[in-house]
Amino acid sequence: EPEVTQTPSHQVTQMGQEVILRCVPISNHLYFYWYRQILGQKVEFLVSFYNNEISEKSEIFDDQFSVERPDGSNFTLKIRSTKLEDSAMYFCASSEDLAGGYNEQFFGPGTRLTVL
Amino acid sequence: GEDVEQSLFLSVREGDSSVINCTYTDSSSTYLYWYKQEPGAGLQLLTYIFSNMDMKQDQRLTVLLNKKDKHLSLRIADTQTGDSAIYFCAESMELSGGSYIPTFGRGTSLIVHP
Repeated sequence: EPEVTQTPSHQVTQMGQEVILRCVPISNHLYFYWYRQILGQKVEFLVSFYNNEISEKSEIFDDQFSVERPDGSNFTLKIRSTKLEDSAMYFCASSEDLAGGYNEQFFGPGTRLTVL
Repeated sequence: GEDVEQSLFLSVREGDSSVINCTYTDSSSTYLYWYKQEPGAGLQLLTYIFSNMDMKQDQRLTVLLNKKDKHLSLRIADTQTGDSAIYFCAESMELSGGSYIPTFGRGTSLIVHP
């Protein structure tokens, strides 16, 4: 069964460093998403991406964040200068389309980012 | 903004029914969802209900929606140890771009013991 994969599973970085989190969405999916979950808190939407551009983003997704689909398979989230409060589990998701308004998103297992 | 609340833990005995409850604030919610997350895995959509429905049943799962009270529940009949996981409640409504982005709760850890 096709699945969303994410690498690495755990990333440790120093405050101020740039990190790139990688995702491989399901191959025929067109919509891609990033979410994060700070330990003990809710899963929060960051950004959605379609047709090589951002379609929706939350207040969390500020200038420190960027997303890219550098090739036909990868979808990346870059954090330019990490802060301690960026420590969280980051989930990538993809969906086939928006048809019918029912939008099943398929989630990857997450990357745990620890900022020291 | 939208908010979704659910209790953090539920412990049940194998074979009993589990009921996980959730409340939400946005009366414009169009779809409400239950996601399941097993250890080391991503969130997986279990079931969803459209806001004009009161109930949806799918094998051992029963979803009840009380729109007046903005209350959603998930009942798992004959709970098995394999049902141990974190269950996320979520709601969504259509955004300007036509997408439905779920707003999640914190998740309820269901622990099933023999």
